[in-house]
Amino acid sequence: QSVLTQPPSVSGAPGQRVTISCTGSSSNIGANYDVHWYQQLPGTAPHLLIYGNNNRPSGVPDRFSGSKSGTSASLAITGLQAEDEADYYCQSYDSSLNGWLFGGGTKLTVL
Amino acid sequence: EVQLVESGGGVVRPGGSLRLSCAASGFAFDDYGMSWVRQAPGKGLEWVSDINWNGYITKYADSVKGRFTVSRDNAKDSLYLQMNSLRAEDTALYYCARDGSYGWDWGQGTLVTVSS
Repeated sequence: QSVLTQPPSVSGAPGQRVTISCTGSSSNIGANYDVHWYQQLPGTAPHLLIYGNNNRPSGVPDRFSGSKSGTSASLAITGLQAEDEADYYCQSYDSSLNGWLFGGGTKLTVL
Repeated sequence: EVQLVESGGGVVRPGGSLRLSCAASGFAFDDYGMSWVRQAPGKGLEWVSDINWNGYITKYADSVKGRFTVSRDNAKDSLYLQMNSLRAEDTALYYCARDGSYGWDWGQGTLVTVSS
């Protein structure tokens, strides 16, 4: 099945660590296609957070990290800050669709 | 600095047509594949279409196949999306994005509303 599944929401207190999962299948993440992660602040366009599974673009704090294993990927955010409150999306290519997939998005709430 | 500026959005009746444009600057446009991604109000991101660097290879999501056509003009550093037979469910903010193995860069989007 060509879909990337994310939890609809996660939350954490300031300073805590949260993780967001992205579960795919053998035609996307499991086929060794890279996973990218984007942050979308309210009312703005998506912004690249992690590329190539676990790489941070310049300017992205090292509080953000990515990992990938098998048919899943994860985004971890440590030392939560109020400004991290946003929607987060994973992305990968799918060989069955012959196109790109985005996860459904996860809303992060900082308590 | 990569800049992508979309235009051409608006209100259109069901069955109507609209052509979106994306003006690119700050990078060698003809070195990159480009994509269109849309986001319906309050919903997530949906990939719509992409086109390779020279325009010879195009791909479409099933939801728009046969109705939308992506094209580019490398001489004008511009990307286009011709949208025909529009439906209410095509209502969304349409983003232009620069493809890349190092992740995508995004414009600010142009809003398309399909309503009678």
